[in-house]
Amino acid sequence: RKEVEQDPGPFNVPEGATVAFNCTYSNSASQSFFWYRQDCRKEPKLLMSVYSSGNEDGRFTAQLNRASQYISLLIRDSKLSDSATYLCVVNPGGSQGNLIFGKGTKLSVKP
Amino acid sequence: DAGVIQSPRHEVTEMGQEVTLRCKPISGHDYLFWYRQTMMRGLELLIYFNNNVPIDDSGMPEDRFSAKMPNASFSTLKIQPSEPRDSAVYFCASIKEGSEAFFGQGTRLTVV
Repeated sequence: RKEVEQDPGPFNVPEGATVAFNCTYSNSASQSFFWYRQDCRKEPKLLMSVYSSGNEDGRFTAQLNRASQYISLLIRDSKLSDSATYLCVVNPGGSQGNLIFGKGTKLSVKP
Repeated sequence: DAGVIQSPRHEVTEMGQEVTLRCKPISGHDYLFWYRQTMMRGLELLIYFNNNVPIDDSGMPEDRFSAKMPNASFSTLKIQPSEPRDSAVYFCASIKEGSEAFFGQGTRLTVV
């Protein structure tokens, strides 16, 4: 099992749709979790951290299920500008370093 | 702060040549990472440093790759000799403990 797995997509959705991405991780001792966004030919940038209780930032909701070892990202009322690749990131613990990135899920929002 | 600065932005080189990629992390950050990104393999961690000391280089593909961090404000990733399969985007990122990872704009390497 790969350390961090994501559905590569692409997810093609119309504007206004709700879309959800899941990510699974293999190391049950993993400490912290993030979603990064990467636009075409750009560097990844932090979208949001994922907390055990779940957290929301505007149209974006992130959840963590430690028992099943998966993380989710929900985007409501999707916009054209949400088109990007979404990377699931896991810190397996032990140090601040060693961030493990999933290969990303590509989202394309169409008018 | 200008963020993480990488140079060059683009590099085209012939197989067998030495390539040196450079990174200036954000001042005050104590971790520095080198990643490689390809369509096939996604974003792969090559090596990371903590306070200029290499902590984990298990992602370095082979002996042709080497990385150094002589001081807190500079790191290099060297490939010698380069091969076409090294073609990728190489990202440098830095972290201050407790904060998010900030990435440079990347170096797009093409080896022909």
